[in-house]
Amino acid sequence: EAGVAQSPRYKIIEKRQSVAFWCNPISGHATLYWYQQILGQGPKLLIQFQNNGVVDDSQLPKDRFSAERLKGVDSTLKIQPAKLEDSAVYLCASSPDRAEQYFGPGTRLTVT
Amino acid sequence: DQQVKQNSPSLSVQEGRISILNCDYTNSMFDYFLWYKKYPAEGPTFLISISSIKDKNEDGRFTVFLNKSAKHLSLHIVPSQPGDSAVYFCAATSPTQGGSEKLVFGKGTKLTVNP
Repeated sequence: EAGVAQSPRYKIIEKRQSVAFWCNPISGHATLYWYQQILGQGPKLLIQFQNNGVVDDSQLPKDRFSAERLKGVDSTLKIQPAKLEDSAVYLCASSPDRAEQYFGPGTRLTVT
Repeated sequence: DQQVKQNSPSLSVQEGRISILNCDYTNSMFDYFLWYKKYPAEGPTFLISISSIKDKNEDGRFTVFLNKSAKHLSLHIVPSQPGDSAVYFCAATSPTQGGSEKLVFGKGTKLTVNP
């Protein structure tokens, strides 16, 4: 079974630029999550989708972050404009059922 | 406000000995707990979980113990192997309105198993 795919793996941008990350979940998984993991911290949920609907986006900084999941499969997370404090690893995860989430390799973002 | 706490940033053990990783939580609504393992440059991998209706769950070399009254859980790895060297995250979830199953993670403990 193919795992969760993410791209790009690494991205370096300057502050105030925009960036987008892509995630392809495991086939058949209805729930998709985006997490932000800052160095030395555990992953923090940004947004959760159930199929193509948003279930929880309470911790998404909506003034600069946006996410969509078209057709209930792939998802993109965008940051516009980026700030220095957005430097982190962005993890995508998917789940077929409660709680056990399967993570992709992550995208390491560096904002300079 | 840290709802899931892993107070030991690192742990070092000898190969063949027992590794014990600890986790404390503050939210009494948490009813499902998970441990994830993370190697560098990879995403976290699910390891083992436990429901709040149990106090122990075992899977091979890995056992998770839950003490609800103390709001404490621990992961035991025995015997420890060099390949177990990784960062271990404790996570917890609670049922919420709208079906959200948000995992709350601790900061992680870096385990090093020395040959």
